Amino acid sequence: EIVLTQSPATLSLSPGERATLSCRASRNVSSYLAWYQQKPGQAPRLLIYDASKRATGIPARFSGSGSGTDFTLTISSLEPEDFAVYYCQQRSNWPPLTFGGGTKVEIK
Amino acid sequence: QVQLQQWGAGLLKPSETLSLTCAVYGESFSGYYWNWIRQPPGKGLEWIGGINHSGNTKYNPSLKSRVTISVDTSRNQFSLKLRSVTAADTAVYYCARDRIKMFPDWFDPWGQGTLVTVSS
Repeated sequence: EIVLTQSPATLSLSPGERATLSCRASRNVSSYLAWYQQKPGQAPRLLIYDASKRATGIPARFSGSGSGTDFTLTISSLEPEDFAVYYCQQRSNWPPLTFGGGTKVEIK
Repeated sequence: QVQLQQWGAGLLKPSETLSLTCAVYGESFSGYYWNWIRQPPGKGLEWIGGINHSGNTKYNPSLKSRVTISVDTSRNQFSLKLRSVTAADTAVYYCARDRIKMFPDWFDPWGQGTLVTVSS
């Protein structure tokens, strides 16, 4: 099973600041990695897939990069609605499909 | 625009069987894999398994012995059964579609989630 480790667990930032979230895979997942955003009481929403492709309707301030074992989600300038929990997920090696433990982006 | 609407019993006793159903609206059922994912309170996400319109299933090995996912194409619905539940199965359960007609792909869209609590 591929383990995804996300860091930091919590990121405290102000609106307008840049957010950089990390996801590290226990084995090479090539570019088969996605990022989801989850707000309280809501289902997760797909943001980025195949490491760097924005899902439909996702603003350009969200970008993904990386390949192999190290991946980054960047939010270039935080909007109030971006404060949420972010999860990475891999589909390179399955079963099972696995998720990271999440990074909470909170208002400083 | 595809919508997933799910329902099922929200309170179970230990050893009972969890049963949830997800209905698909606004989209052809065929060609996609349809998945179940759960999230214990305050914790991360765990993929349970998926099924396509032909009934081909993929399961998480950690749950495979207790899980059955089935499909009813006449109603555009798929269902989850999890046997012999314990408190560790307390979670919000989500249904979700694969983004494109290929397995595995990314989960998009998702249902609204159903909280299932296991307590004596």
